[in-house]
Amino acid sequence: KAGVTQTPRYLIKTRGQQVTLSCSPISGHRSVSWYQQTPGQGLQFLFEYFSETQRNKGNFPGRFSGRQFSNSRSEMNVSTLELGDSALYLCASSLAGVVTDTQYFGPGTRLTVL
Amino acid sequence: SQKIEQNSEALNIQEGKTATLTCNYTNYSPAYLQWYRQDPGRGPVFLLLIRENEKEKRKERLKVTFDTTLKQSLFHITASQPADSATYLCALAFSGTYKYIFGTGTRLKVLA
Repeated sequence: KAGVTQTPRYLIKTRGQQVTLSCSPISGHRSVSWYQQTPGQGLQFLFEYFSETQRNKGNFPGRFSGRQFSNSRSEMNVSTLELGDSALYLCASSLAGVVTDTQYFGPGTRLTVL
Repeated sequence: SQKIEQNSEALNIQEGKTATLTCNYTNYSPAYLQWYRQDPGRGPVFLLLIRENEKEKRKERLKVTFDTTLKQSLFHITASQPADSATYLCALAFSGTYKYIFGTGTRLKVLA
């Protein structure tokens, strides 16, 4: 069974631009979560989608948004990029999105904002 | 707000010894606590889940304890090997939520 895939793996953008990241979950998984990982803050929860609906949201500004498609693939968008948005963005999929489910993480997208 | 503390300094141990990593939290006790392993350039990999009513969980060479009185979880790797070298993350979740709060991780280096 294929794992979670994320594209692109690396991205360089400049301040003020916007970016879209993509995540394909494991087949059959309906929940996709997004995280931001930085050396200082660690892994921080952005949001979680289940059956095309955002069910949970972390404490990030509205510049961070996402969506999920009917095939469970998910995209995350960051608008008006800031230098502080440079981070590793990880998505994780799970079967039903309950807290006892195992989360399977993708390799991440490394975003650098110049 | 809930805080999780993991030793930010790297832990170096000799091959064959038991590595013990600590995860301390403040405020409310979580209903669930997970441990992950993360290698450089890769996403975290789930290792173990322990519930608040469980004191200990084992999986092969791994053992996790959960002490809600001390607000602490310990993660043990017995007979450690150089291949165990990685960053280990703990994460907490509370009943009724689907949101894990992660610690910043502890880097473990097992010396041959």
